[in-house]
Amino acid sequence: QSALTQPASVSGSPGQSITISCTGTSSDVGSYNLVSWYQQHPDKAPKLLIYEGSKRPSGVSNRFSGSKSGKTASLTISGLQAEDEAHYYCCSYAGSSSHWLFGGGTKLTVL
Amino acid sequence: EVQLLESGGGLVQPGGSLRLSCAASGFTFSSSAMSWVRQAPGKGLEWVSAISGGGDRTYYADSVKGRFTISRDNSKNTLYLQLNSLRAEDTAVYYCAKESIICSSSTSCYTSAFDPWGQGTLVTVSS
Repeated sequence: QSALTQPASVSGSPGQSITISCTGTSSDVGSYNLVSWYQQHPDKAPKLLIYEGSKRPSGVSNRFSGSKSGKTASLTISGLQAEDEAHYYCCSYAGSSSHWLFGGGTKLTVL
Repeated sequence: EVQLLESGGGLVQPGGSLRLSCAASGFTFSSSAMSWVRQAPGKGLEWVSAISGGGDRTYYADSVKGRFTISRDNSKNTLYLQLNSLRAEDTAVYYCAKESIICSSSTSCYTSAFDPWGQGTLVTVSS
């Protein structure tokens, strides 16, 4: 099964909001409410930002929010800060054959 | 504090083997499902394999099925990934991750995310 589709890059200025989309199929994003989002800074391990589409783990800033509509999940970052510059990956459960699929990743540049 | 520390990566020739380890601490390891996720240089993340807390259930991505074997030693709080018949395309940083489990009832539990992740160990397959 193919990876989930994310834009390769997005950018925004400090204080602005940006949204990263993650498009799947009816076999993954569209079937399960098990989309998670991860932030990865260069040469660092990924960090969980959002799980089950819209829930934030304790300790994650409320500037990060998630949503899902049909086969597309979205991550919104509000009040952009310089430290938000990183790669962002979505992930979805894809059933018992494919298990877990990741998106190709989106590089966020804070201008 | 939950900690995961991978080791065992290195340079190996095509067709060779390697065993990765992931030492866990700060949580009840034997109750926790675990996964391996890899990232080729400059590329995105790819889920590789998962194992239940008791080790009785294992799962693999099609790209590694039949070549990689996941296992665990709960007495040592350690997760393993045996990599055999390695190919150039297996070159990647391999991360272990704890699966975050949600239970809607006493008999219905599922993985909702991967949290946290270890720092990763680099496997390079090259002649």
